[in-house]
Amino acid sequence: ETGVTQTPRHLVMGMTNKKSLKCEQHLGHNAMYWYKQSAKKPLELMFVYSLEERVENNSVPSRFSPECPNSSHLFLHLHTLQPEDSALYLCASSPKTGQPIEAFFGQGTRLTVV
Amino acid sequence: GQNIDQPTEMTATEGAIVQINCTYQTSGFNGLFWYQQHAGEAPTFLSYNVLDGLEEKGRFSSFLSRSKGYSYLLLKELQMKDSASYLCASMDSNYQLIWGAGTKLIIKP
Repeated sequence: ETGVTQTPRHLVMGMTNKKSLKCEQHLGHNAMYWYKQSAKKPLELMFVYSLEERVENNSVPSRFSPECPNSSHLFLHLHTLQPEDSALYLCASSPKTGQPIEAFFGQGTRLTVV
Repeated sequence: GQNIDQPTEMTATEGAIVQINCTYQTSGFNGLFWYQQHAGEAPTFLSYNVLDGLEEKGRFSSFLSRSKGYSYLLLKELQMKDSASYLCASMDSNYQLIWGAGTKLIIKP
């Protein structure tokens, strides 16, 4: 238990579906992150939020839409995904951005797009 | 460009020692992180090096050479539970982590 909880753990969706991934952190951190992890590839940073404001968007396709209603919750809304979007989506949090501080990760959502 | 290289897979024997190497090229440098990730679980922090030298933490040690752009993670007295992927990540001048693809470590009895 790392203090970061992601739901669901597994998700299968069709290319025309709309779904959302949820992340919640109980660590009092001010920064939250979405990462994509594909097999045998480096972690790809998708979005960074600091105090509920998006500070980083690494050229992610618009079919991925993040939402951070407060510093404890982070969502990733998904629509019209492609099969190549199948991956493990990891949420992480850290005390703040802009410092060499360890990040705490959730267990991820294993997404399969069919 | 920014790049992190580490071996894809390594195999070692229970009770032995293994060294996992990582080379990095990043725009600026604010330290080198190692994470452990068991299959189906969250990556968990192992170590952070920003100065040259060896940092020891129990059975695990991490080494950094900034001039060579090189780090290694040393695991001693290997246990079966050490079977996992080990992720190397360099923090660049913008405090963004640049990740390697991970090294899958297989421990055999």
